[in-house]
Amino acid sequence: EVHLVESGGGLAQPGGSLRLSCAASGFIFSGCAMNWVRQAPGKGLEWVSVISGNTFDIKYADSVRGRFSISRDNSKNTLYLQMNSLRAEDSAVYYCAKKRDGSDSMGLFDSWGQGVLVTVSS
Amino acid sequence: EIVLTQSPVTLSLSPGERATLSCRASQGLSRNYLAWHQQKPGQTPRLLIYGSSIRATGIPDRFSGSGSGTDFTLTISRLEPEDFAVYYCQQYVSSPYTFGQGTKLEIK
Repeated sequence: EVHLVESGGGLAQPGGSLRLSCAASGFIFSGCAMNWVRQAPGKGLEWVSVISGNTFDIKYADSVRGRFSISRDNSKNTLYLQMNSLRAEDSAVYYCAKKRDGSDSMGLFDSWGQGVLVTVSS
Repeated sequence: EIVLTQSPVTLSLSPGERATLSCRASQGLSRNYLAWHQQKPGQTPRLLIYGSSIRATGIPDRFSGSGSGTDFTLTISRLEPEDFAVYYCQQYVSSPYTFGQGTKLEIK
């Protein structure tokens, strides 16, 4: 069974940094593209970033490009999101999401973590 | 960026009724790379449909998807109490992998 567990959220000041982690199990992590998707309180879903299994292909939403950095450690089955220069509008629940096996698009996700809350406020 | 517009924003129906949710894309989606996700209050989203019409693993057959190009539909044939939730369409043709704003399906 696929299991995704995010951690590292919390309160950060505007301009500050946080690093989110997503521990994965139940599938071959190194062969699977992984995404971050966020949801501001009471709002809809917003895709943030994706990284391929071999890390060669990385993409970002315009809203976070240059501030956020996605990475992974396949030896630890863990996905990361380094968030710098945080803004109030980055406040959201952040989900990691696994690419569906067999899809040739990295952006089709079939399993989501439970999410971690990030609050950016002074 | 591909913009997805869902309608209606809110849909009020009773259990046993049929629900029809729409999603329109700002440009045609090649290979019908359109998915639907369900999110119940306080829960994680769940993939329902991908490829416009293919049910994901474990999804009941009362859920069906259709459409191509720019116009897509999610139909729930007979609403069960657990189906009242927010539904999002999402395109995975190209990044940014955008979502619609959601349709809230509420009990009438």
